[in-house]
Amino acid sequence: GNSVTQMEGPVTLSEEAFLTINCTYTATGYPSLFWYVQYPGEGLQLLLKATKADDKGSNKGFEATYRKETTSFHLEKGSVQVSDSAVYFCALSDGTGGFKTIFGAGTRLFVKA
Amino acid sequence: NAGVTQTPKFQVLKTGQSMTLQCAQDMNHNSMYWYRQDPGMGLRLIYYSASEGTTDKGEVPNGYNVSRLNKREFSLRLESAAPSQTSVYFCASSQDFSTDTQYFGPGTRLTVL
Repeated sequence: GNSVTQMEGPVTLSEEAFLTINCTYTATGYPSLFWYVQYPGEGLQLLLKATKADDKGSNKGFEATYRKETTSFHLEKGSVQVSDSAVYFCALSDGTGGFKTIFGAGTRLFVKA
Repeated sequence: NAGVTQTPKFQVLKTGQSMTLQCAQDMNHNSMYWYRQDPGMGLRLIYYSASEGTTDKGEVPNGYNVSRLNKREFSLRLESAAPSQTSVYFCASSQDFSTDTQYFGPGTRLTVL
């Protein structure tokens, strides 16, 4: 069945450092891929998404490229801020296979000033 | 625009007690979902409602029931709470069951003693 694997955390970075959070997936068909972010005490909110191979999603300085050949959707940001401290979830949704979104376990990011 | 609202925010139950978690959305979305979030396990789908008048089981439905009261409201009921149901519960909605982006409520933190 479909699954998402993302790097374990926590990830601790200094402000202005480069961020990569790895995400790989297993899916039949052609899933859509997402990154959601959860700030402390809040629900998840969509950060970015990509719906087909080679698409790049971007938002708030974050980027991720849908790589079908490596089944990956790694999240990157060139210069993190303290306000980026949160939990990041990689997810996939296969609309043809049902109605469900599969979430990774989440990666907690701490950014130090 | 409130988005997705959930009540209560916190709840403590004793084993065997029952309770209902309430969820409402004001975005005129067709589909609604209930997830539980446990440490290291991401989000797992409990039940979903693809459209008003329909409900279906997700990945972990045992011990729960749901009601899609109308297009706006989707409640989750624990008939006889167990310690294994201690978790954070999130309600979400999307425009259509096959649409990708989901919008989440702030969550309910439930402790079962």
